[in-house]
This record gives sequence, C-alpha cells and structure tokens, in this order.
Amino acid sequence: DTAVSQTPKYLVTQMGNDKSIKCEQNLGHDTMYWYKQDSKKFLKIMFSYNNKELIINETVPNRFSPKSPDKAHLNLHINSLELGDSAVYFCATQGGGAEKLFFGSGTQLSVL
Amino acid sequence: GDSVTQMEGPVTLSEEAFLTINCTYTATGYPSLFWYVQYPGEGLQLLLKATKADDKGSNKGFEATYRKETTSFHLEKGSVQVSDSAVYFCALKDSNYQLIWGAGTKLIIKP
Repeated sequence: DTAVSQTPKYLVTQMGNDKSIKCEQNLGHDTMYWYKQDSKKFLKIMFSYNNKELIINETVPNRFSPKSPDKAHLNLHINSLELGDSAVYFCATQGGGAEKLFFGSGTQLSVL
Repeated sequence: GDSVTQMEGPVTLSEEAFLTINCTYTATGYPSLFWYVQYPGEGLQLLLKATKADDKGSNKGFEATYRKETTSFHLEKGSVQVSDSAVYFCALKDSNYQLIWGAGTKLIIKP
C-alpha cells in the first residue's frame, strides 16, 4: 500500500479554471503538508495541517485553499488558476514530532 | 520567528571536488537541525541530523556540524560524485515540532 498518495499525477488546464489535487495518507500521522516545487526545483511549504487545524500559511495567495475532511486527507483547491501556478505540488506527512517526512509522488500542474 | 537561510544555487562542481553548502539559522532555544536531499523525480529524504551543539551528523560521506556560536550547519563532502546531483535542503525543528525549511540548493556534478 502506498503510504501517501496524490491524485492526479498530471494536471493540464486553462488559465482561470478551478482545480483540486487530492492527498491521502494511511500512516495515521498527525501533520500533513502541501509543498510547491517551482521550475528551479526549490521546495516551498504552502500549508501545514495538524489534527485538521491550519498552523502554517506561508503567504500563499488566497486562491489556494487546503481542505481536510478527516485526518487521513488534505486536499488542495486552487481557484482562478494563473500561469505562475504551474509547478509540481507535493503532499507530505509527519508523525509524532519525528523529523522523517513521507512524501507523495507529486502532481505536475501545467496552466496554459 | 525561526528561519533558515542557505546559499543560493545552482552549485556546479566537477566529480571528486570538495563540496560545501552553507546553512545558517535563526531560532529561539536549541533546535534540532537537518539536511534533506531531493533526487530528481523523488520526494525529500533525510540525509543527516544533529540535535545539540557540536554534534556532527554524517551519512553517505556527507557531514555537517551543529555550530551554536555561528548558528550554522554547513553541509560538506570531501569528494562528490555525479550521483550526488540533487537539491539539498537545510531545515530546523522548532519548539512546536514543525520543520522550518531553507529554500534549497541545487547541486550539479559534472563528470
């Protein structure tokens, strides 16, 4: 079983559309993250959820909204997509204060 | 708040060269410090860590020493290989047990 799974793996869409990326984990971890990796391969944290409470929002535009229906899921909704949103988005989990992160395989978003 | 600053890349070296990637931090208290590596197409992996001043973390030939006096945790390797090409992230664990990340440094090793 995949520990952290993201869907879709690839997402191609037009500017102005609204899209969602799903993330599910079966590790029972308390904390989940969304990261954005840009074309320069820099990884930036977007959101962190701990027991369904948002605890970090790194000045991400409010077009991006994380939604956590339960402890195992953290979905990322993006409204009014812009060209600059094109990137790879990674979901990750962290459990019990441990430093080890478990990453999903990433979602490559291309906005045309 | 806590923060991590690491040198901008990309860093381009020839095989067998000596590597240093600088990392400095700002934090209250005494955080644990980490280096993570991201190989192309993969998620981050923990490379090494240090939990207190003067600790040296090491793995796969990489080393980093927790320097409290200079608030630094520089990553070093004596002889790099093409397979070391990746993006390297410095991070600290804050008092809430959350990871605070540097921006990442891309390393390119040429044969």
